[in-house]
Amino acid sequence: AQSVTQLDSQVPVFEEAPVELRCNYSSSVSVYLFWYVQYPNQGLQLLLKYLSGSTLVKGINGFEAEFNKSQTSFHLRKPSVHISDTAEYFCAVSERGTGGFKTIFGAGTRLFVKA
Amino acid sequence: NAGVMQNPRHLVRRRGQEARLRCSPMKGHSHVYWYRQLPEEGLKFMVYLQKENIIDESGMPKERFSAEFPKEGPSILRIQQVVRGDSAAYFCASSPQGPDSYGYTFGSGTRLTVV
Repeated sequence: AQSVTQLDSQVPVFEEAPVELRCNYSSSVSVYLFWYVQYPNQGLQLLLKYLSGSTLVKGINGFEAEFNKSQTSFHLRKPSVHISDTAEYFCAVSERGTGGFKTIFGAGTRLFVKA
Repeated sequence: NAGVMQNPRHLVRRRGQEARLRCSPMKGHSHVYWYRQLPEEGLKFMVYLQKENIIDESGMPKERFSAEFPKEGPSILRIQQVVRGDSAAYFCASSPQGPDSYGYTFGSGTRLTVV
């Protein structure tokens, strides 16, 4: 069975501080990994994705994530956050099953950037 | 290219009424996915459709919910005899080719409130 755990439901941080949003998953097969961002009252936007190759993936808005296969993690990082980064962030895992790929989302982490 | 279009943005229904949610995928996308986001929860997969076919409806409640994606026109998620527990944000996503390997493009969602 596949699951995605985002370890922190809320992360408050001061502007210009670094941030890490944690994501762990469980799967017995190879997976594709994604981070999405959801601003208030909007849909989800793809932030970055890991399909294969380099385990460090860079995305939009200065975010990056590192795939760690041994720890089954895909943590999202940004070295210096802005007020405008306040949003909800969702980790997602996609794995191939008998009926094709299936994507499961984590419960989300609410990032709140304070001035 | 207007992206994934969902309408209405907000929908209020009384208990027992029907709710119809529409989703027009991005131009060139023939795969549509519906997700439900309950308050303070992540996105839960409901159904995956291609034109005129339901591919995976493993996340759909057994009763009152149905989805279609006709040859012409938008995909429709229909909820009959709505109850308070159906209040949620419903998101539609689309992709150009088979599920999941490259990430989704999401619409802005329909927020259903059952009163």
